[in-house]
Amino acid sequence: AQSVTQLDSHVSVSEGTPVLLRCNYSSSYSPSLFWYVQHPNKGLQLLLKYTSAATLVKGINGFEAEFKKSETSFHLTKPSAHMSDAAEYFCVVRGGSYIPTFGRGTSLIVHP
Amino acid sequence: EAGVAQSPRYKIIEKRQSVAFWCNPISGHATLYWYQQILGQGPKLLIQFQNNGVVDDSQLPKDRFSAERLKGVDSTLKIQPAKLEDSAVYLCASSREDSPDYNEQFFGPGTRLTVL
Repeated sequence: AQSVTQLDSHVSVSEGTPVLLRCNYSSSYSPSLFWYVQHPNKGLQLLLKYTSAATLVKGINGFEAEFKKSETSFHLTKPSAHMSDAAEYFCVVRGGSYIPTFGRGTSLIVHP
Repeated sequence: EAGVAQSPRYKIIEKRQSVAFWCNPISGHATLYWYQQILGQGPKLLIQFQNNGVVDDSQLPKDRFSAERLKGVDSTLKIQPAKLEDSAVYLCASSREDSPDYNEQFFGPGTRLTVL
């Protein structure tokens, strides 16, 4: 069985400050992990993915995530938030069954 | 490269009516997924196809929902009869899956269903 927990339903930051969106997972197998972003009324877009190569993964738009097996975490970070980063973010796990499981999502709010 | 295509983009029906959604994945992608996304929630996987075989349909309400991918390319998802709680965005996605390096999903724009 596998699961994913996004620890915050909402995260609020000021423009120019760091972003941290937290994700913990559970999987019986070495998982692949993904972060997707969904802007209002837009489709889901892949930000980055981890598939057992480098544990620090760089994605688009300045985002990165670190796979920590000992903590079963895959937190998403960005050094400096931009207004255009305001969106819903989803963490996804795929284990040995290759069936993806989405988290409930974290809404990122960016204040000017 | 063309993306995942879905139609229609919007659909409004009354409860107990039937509705069908269509998805055309990215060319060459073996795996196709249908998700249901209720407002304020994460996408829930309804069914996953590998070519034209079903990998998982454990969360598909089979008394009213059906899906097929007969030729291993495009797919249809049907709801018959619809209930109020079926109001959601239905997302289609596809992925290559010919190696672990190509297992990310590409999503279509979705179909927003409103059941009155």
